[in-house]
Amino acid sequence: DVKVTQSSRYLVKRTGEKVFLECVQDMDHENMFWYRQDPGLGLRLIYFSYDVKMKEKGDIPEGYSVSREKKERFSLILESASTNQTSMYLCASSGVRGYYNEQFFGPGTRLTVL
Amino acid sequence: QKEVEQNSGPLSVPEGAIASLNCTYSDRGSQSFFWYRQYSGKSPELIMFIYSNGDKEDGRFTAQLNKASQYVSLLIRDSQPSDSATYLCAVRETSGTYKYIFGTGTRLKVLA
Repeated sequence: DVKVTQSSRYLVKRTGEKVFLECVQDMDHENMFWYRQDPGLGLRLIYFSYDVKMKEKGDIPEGYSVSREKKERFSLILESASTNQTSMYLCASSGVRGYYNEQFFGPGTRLTVL
Repeated sequence: QKEVEQNSGPLSVPEGAIASLNCTYSDRGSQSFFWYRQYSGKSPELIMFIYSNGDKEDGRFTAQLNKASQYVSLLIRDSQPSDSATYLCAVRETSGTYKYIFGTGTRLKVLA
């Protein structure tokens, strides 16, 4: 059973703080993704990584950075949190072997920035 | 800009009826299509995937794909109140990056 875990379910931070969101997968997947989900806007891709130390910007990378030092772990960093980064953050992973390569999601982190 | 479009709903159906959810996509070269279910406050979970034209059945769920018309649909037979959720359609990009494009989802309400 694929398992994607995220470090926190709920997080409250103050404006200007540096925030770290951690994601770990146990299926040896090459690809990992960070999304944010807001009502009416759907899932928006922030960054993804297709290999250790490799990353690519998604649709909304501004204000975020990522780190992937190990294959199983993908971190999202908010350099200086702002109130407009209050959102649900979802991590996902997928493999490259096989045809479908479906994405499996973690439970999500609901971040509130005050 | 590649897009995946869904009607946001809510789509309300009585218990026991067939719920029909639709999705259209803009990238004609797309090959892989996915349906996720998301309960309120939870993360999306995969329920179906399809890549060939036609129907694919799994229990009460049937995915239908028509590449010529660029739409994919999900039928839920014998709908139950527990099926009430938001259903997300996703299309894998053709560029080889394994990125998905998600629709904004259709909210389904099954009335007991």
